[in-house]
Amino acid sequence: AQSVTQPDIHITVSEGASLELRCNYSYGATPYLFWYVQSPGQGLQLLLKYFSGDTLVQGIKGFEAEFKRSQSSFNLRKPSVHWSDAAEYFCAVGGGSEKVTFGTGTKLQVIP
Amino acid sequence: NAGVTQTPKFRVLKTGQSMTLLCAQDMNHEYMYWYRQDPGMGLRLIHYSVGEGTTAKGEVPDGYNVSRLKKQNFLLGLESAAPSQTSVYFCASSMRREYADTQYFGPGTRLTVL
Repeated sequence: AQSVTQPDIHITVSEGASLELRCNYSYGATPYLFWYVQSPGQGLQLLLKYFSGDTLVQGIKGFEAEFKRSQSSFNLRKPSVHWSDAAEYFCAVGGGSEKVTFGTGTKLQVIP
Repeated sequence: NAGVTQTPKFRVLKTGQSMTLLCAQDMNHEYMYWYRQDPGMGLRLIHYSVGEGTTAKGEVPDGYNVSRLKKQNFLLGLESAAPSQTSVYFCASSMRREYADTQYFGPGTRLTVL
């Protein structure tokens, strides 16, 4: 069965600092990987996704993620965080079926 | 384009009452999903549909029923609400492609069962 682990429940960073959110997955074949963001009171919005090709994926709002097969990871990064990035971030894995499994989320707080 | 809309936004029920949540999408998507979101548990799939007239169980289907009579609508029903069904419910849709397909989410329905 496929699964996703986001080991950090909460992360606090200063505005302007770099950010890395961790995601580890379990999947029997080549995974399709996603990062979604949820602003307070809103639905989820796709930041980026990986399904093949270049293992470094660029997304919206200046985010990027790197797929590392050897580590079963798909960590999300941003070089300089803005106050508007405060939200909850979800990693997800899918592939070969219509179902996607979401992680439990990492809540990001940005301090001035 | 409204995208994915959900009705209602908020609802309070008493134990044993029934209700239906409506999801509508105007993107002509084949796939539609119902999730529930609980603190510390992420999103869990309740039911999904791969096309008009079809539905299937997800991870946590007990206590819920769904119907997809029209391609653009996906209904989630609670026949006899229980406090354990207090949650935020999200609907999502995606195009027919199964692989690496983006899901588009509605704004959610916050349900409280007393």
